[in-house]
Amino acid sequence: LAKTTQPISMDSYEGQEVNITCSHNNIATNDYITWYQQFPSQGPRFIIQGYKTKVTNEVASLFIPADRKSSTLSLPRVSLSDTAVYYCLVGPDQTGANNLFFGTGTRLTVIP
Amino acid sequence: DAGVIQSPRHEVTEMGQEVTLRCKPISGHDYLFWYRQTMMRGLELLIYFNNNVPIDDSGMPEDRFSAKMPNASFSTLKIQPSEPRDSAVYFCASSTPGTGNEQFFGPGTRLTVL
Repeated sequence: LAKTTQPISMDSYEGQEVNITCSHNNIATNDYITWYQQFPSQGPRFIIQGYKTKVTNEVASLFIPADRKSSTLSLPRVSLSDTAVYYCLVGPDQTGANNLFFGTGTRLTVIP
Repeated sequence: DAGVIQSPRHEVTEMGQEVTLRCKPISGHDYLFWYRQTMMRGLELLIYFNNNVPIDDSGMPEDRFSAKMPNASFSTLKIQPSEPRDSAVYFCASSTPGTGNEQFFGPGTRLTVL
């Protein structure tokens, strides 16, 4: 079971770039790296997913080094509405869902 | 699409009562997941289905919990009898094959057992 380690909390000012790093030293060859965002009183929302190198979408970028033992979620120019808990998950695809572990996540607070 | 639909959104019941939570996945999604979230334990996977068949229920806490998926558009999670320690937010999520671990979560059911 590839567990993850990420900071419990982070603070950032509006307009700054935020980078949240996740460690997953025991990642397996067929594991994806997936990030979710959760607002209070809502279900988690998929943000981005990658396997290696860099992935970018309209919301965030995901940087994965060659050894895949860590990953960094990058949120460009955060706003107050980005205040949420961010979860890093590592695991195979849905067929191995029993190995998914959300952990405690990183609570990001964006300050005006 | 309306997304994953869960009902009720809030449920308050007394210890010993039966509780049934309902979920309608996104049409066409083959996988359905039930999660429980508490402050102490975070987000835990309870059980998941593939094409209406339960694949792994190792996360179900005990025999008081049961889940069914009679068809592709409906699933239930039942607790009988309920206990105060079952108080949590229960999420249902669905997904489709070939998308890694991209799951679509419902709004959740907040259960309070008195």
